[in-house]
Amino acid sequence: QVQLVESGGGVVQPGKSLRLSCVVSGFIFNEYSMHWVRQAPGKGLEWVAVMSSYGSNEYFADSVKGRFSIARDNSKNTLYLQMDSLTVEDTAMYYCARGSGRLQLWLNPVDYWGQGTLVTVSS
Amino acid sequence: DIQMTQSPSTLSVSVGDRVTITCRASRSISNWLAWYQQKPGKAPKLLIYKASTLESGVPSRFSGSGSGTEFTLTISSLQPDDFATYYCLQSDAYWTFGQGTKVEIK
Repeated sequence: QVQLVESGGGVVQPGKSLRLSCVVSGFIFNEYSMHWVRQAPGKGLEWVAVMSSYGSNEYFADSVKGRFSIARDNSKNTLYLQMDSLTVEDTAMYYCARGSGRLQLWLNPVDYWGQGTLVTVSS
Repeated sequence: DIQMTQSPSTLSVSVGDRVTITCRASRSISNWLAWYQQKPGKAPKLLIYKASTLESGVPSRFSGSGSGTEFTLTISSLQPDDFATYYCLQSDAYWTFGQGTKVEIK
């Protein structure tokens, strides 16, 4: 079955960096775009970033543009989120999620989600 | 950017009630609208995509309708397992979630 497992969260000081990972199984990783979605404590869902199936396209929410980068290693079935210049507003549960369209980036919602990894930015 | 306005923010209901949640887009998104259910401490679960297509395994008491800028999620007869927070997501241009609707026990 489809599984997504995030890791790499933790407590980090403002201005520092953190890299999240998401290992997937149960589907052909390089056929699907992959997203990061976050949720601040007690708040709603916020789309963060997406990378296309072969890694040729990436897009970010304005709130993280220029500070976060996304990458994937299709040989390792792994998605990454590099977060730099972190602020307290980046404190959230970070979920990786699969884009639902096979070999299609646009127009498709996310379907499968991981359990999330918690990032806390605090001095 | 497309803004998604979801209402109401909270619904106090009883088991067996019919529940309707609305999502409005700031401009037309055709039918590129999905609905999710999230329970505390859990990841969201996809319920409906393309505005009205039920995801496999989702009970038929859930239904979605709408196109353009106005969309509705309906639960025909609320069950105890349905108390949760519901989100809409537009995928017409990038991706934007609504603010969420918490369905709580009356």
